[in-house]
Amino acid sequence: GAGVSQSPRYKVAKRGQDVALRCDPISGHVSLFWYQQALGQGPEFLTYFQNEAQLDKSGLPSDRFFAERPEGSVSTLKIQRTQQEDSAVYLCASSLSRLAGTDTQYFGPGTRLTVL
Amino acid sequence: KQEVTQIPAALSVPEGENLVLNCSFTDSAIYNLQWFRQDPGKGLTSLLLIQSSQREQTSGRLNASLDKSSGRSTLYIAASQPGDSATYLCAVSRGNSGYSTLTFGKGTMLLVSP
Repeated sequence: GAGVSQSPRYKVAKRGQDVALRCDPISGHVSLFWYQQALGQGPEFLTYFQNEAQLDKSGLPSDRFFAERPEGSVSTLKIQRTQQEDSAVYLCASSLSRLAGTDTQYFGPGTRLTVL
Repeated sequence: KQEVTQIPAALSVPEGENLVLNCSFTDSAIYNLQWFRQDPGKGLTSLLLIQSSQREQTSGRLNASLDKSSGRSTLYIAASQPGDSATYLCAVSRGNSGYSTLTFGKGTMLLVSP
């Protein structure tokens, strides 16, 4: 497609359930980012992939969060044993190159996760 | 740690007014600064990207300025329209070993009434 797509768009989970969120970046984009946006806040960085390599996972809030991009295209963010504080919109973004600071990041529509 | 602040948090104006949104950041060691627009239930759309060596960028009715040394940026919207109603986010880019991540402000929620 022409842009970044994410699925599902909405997810409701009971506390303790595992969830998996999918991101399809723009074809050919080397860099992929995940962000978490709580209600009324700006997005906060979670993790970064350059092709299939996860180069930065410093923003992941706990070891319940895991992300992968095994073939350097589609990425999955997995949250184990969800908690109410995990409720947020999870945004995926991709950019064309790996050059620092030169590219615009293109964002997907996000997945709104609600944990009951 | 980089902190980005946006003022005001919300703004309501009648159609046709010119307006200014403000963004400040604490660490001037940035690669670039971007202004994004976010509509309810949708992702972010990049409006303007200003490299650290630049002072301003313009696109249509939008003009963004950057004063890196003082840690400030402004987004100027001329002749506002109801379709401009959205949340506007400012983000600064900082490098880490060959890639860059974005630090966002909380945004300014703009409502332009007909």
